[in-house]
Amino acid sequence: QVQLRESGPGLLKPSQTLSLTCTVSGGSISSGAYYWSWIRQHPGKGLEWIGYIYYSGSTYYNPSLESRLTISVDTSANRFSLKLRSVTAADTAVYYCARRYDSWFDSWGQGALVTVSS
Amino acid sequence: QSVLTQPPSVSGAPGQRVTISCTGTSSNIGTGYDVYWYQQLPGKAPKLLIYGKNKRPSGVPDRFSGSKSGTSASLAITGLQAEDEADYYCQSHDNTLSWVFGGGTKLTVL
Repeated sequence: QVQLRESGPGLLKPSQTLSLTCTVSGGSISSGAYYWSWIRQHPGKGLEWIGYIYYSGSTYYNPSLESRLTISVDTSANRFSLKLRSVTAADTAVYYCARRYDSWFDSWGQGALVTVSS
Repeated sequence: QSVLTQPPSVSGAPGQRVTISCTGTSSNIGTGYDVYWYQQLPGKAPKLLIYGKNKRPSGVPDRFSGSKSGTSASLAITGLQAEDEADYYCQSHDNTLSWVFGGGTKLTVL
């Protein structure tokens, strides 16, 4: 059973860069069947898809975040990462990494709360 | 403002049947894309509930079922149980915004 786990700083100041890593265990990130995604949930709100990366390195981002966003993959370490630049309080959320198969997300990490505050 | 619209809350007594609606537009559900459903227990990550065309992952009881018509979809839960109390989210694909979610519906078991 694949497991995903997010890690990274939980507190940032405005204008800093949010960096999170998702480590995958119980399965290979290089499996061609899956797309490795980031999704966030603002406090008390719904879910927002951020973007995804394929093991080859190809990416696709939410157009509303694309200008500040970089998702990368390290297949040797079986992990992928998120960088969101110039954060504001509006980026405060729980960030989930998830595995997408076809058009649905079948495995999720436990989530990482990131708070942006001065 | 979520792309897919869900009622903020629904409720039902144990044993009853409840439905949760998910309304989209011609650029997502109305295009013919399938709708998927997730259950989120308090403090936990979302869990896939319905995928494909009304399929359930292993371990999800057949009390849960999904349907779709036009630009809308519904999740039905029969034989409501206390453990079903959670937030439920719909998700689909969108021509312009890729993967989109509903705002979530809080199910209360009375």
